[in-house]
Amino acid sequence: GAVVSQHPSWVICKSGTSVKIECRSLDFQATTMFWYRQFPKQSLMLMATSNEGSKATYEQGVEKDKFLINHASLTLSTLTVTSAHPEDSSFYICSASSQNTDTQYFGPGTRLTVL
Amino acid sequence: TQLLEQSPQFLSIQEGENLTVYCNSSSVFSSLQWYRQEPGEGPVLLVTVVTGGEVKKLKRLTFQFGDARKDSSLHITAAQPGDTGLYLCAGAFSNGNKLVFGAGTILRVKS
Repeated sequence: GAVVSQHPSWVICKSGTSVKIECRSLDFQATTMFWYRQFPKQSLMLMATSNEGSKATYEQGVEKDKFLINHASLTLSTLTVTSAHPEDSSFYICSASSQNTDTQYFGPGTRLTVL
Repeated sequence: TQLLEQSPQFLSIQEGENLTVYCNSSSVFSSLQWYRQEPGEGPVLLVTVVTGGEVKKLKRLTFQFGDARKDSSLHITAAQPGDTGLYLCAGAFSNGNKLVFGAGTILRVKS
């Protein structure tokens, strides 16, 4: 149980385009989903927290207009990187947790490369 | 300021050796999770500890939560090359659902 999927697993795009990443909880209802960014050999950096049906809460320094997050259902959250630039290239990971638990289950990550 | 100090940052050992990774904080956590991550993949949950003083074992891995719920340790006995990876501790506070992550420990076990 507690499986989280992400799609795509990797994406290469041109500078200025937008990229959408999907995060799905496959066997449980995720009341909260989290989006992280990770640089090589470093820990996870929380970008935003999203609760189903409400606006995402962004961490300090994360541009909400650049990283659009939608959590439309209890099993799906999306992260859209708008007008991507090379500095947005990174490993993006989502996680999901159900109600009344601290434990987060992570997706396999999405490698974004912006040319 | 790093709320959760994790050490060591890097560890390279021979197969069969034992090791311990530590996570320390001045804050009290409602729970603490340990994850293992391999390159290009997402973190995989190893264990969640909730009670102060709790000890959990997962094969050759032993996890301990401090009595005051401010620190935790991960001990690996007779490390194997398959244990190689990035180990992350993450603490949760009772007033929210965000996790505070340690900086991670990169473990390399050489055969």
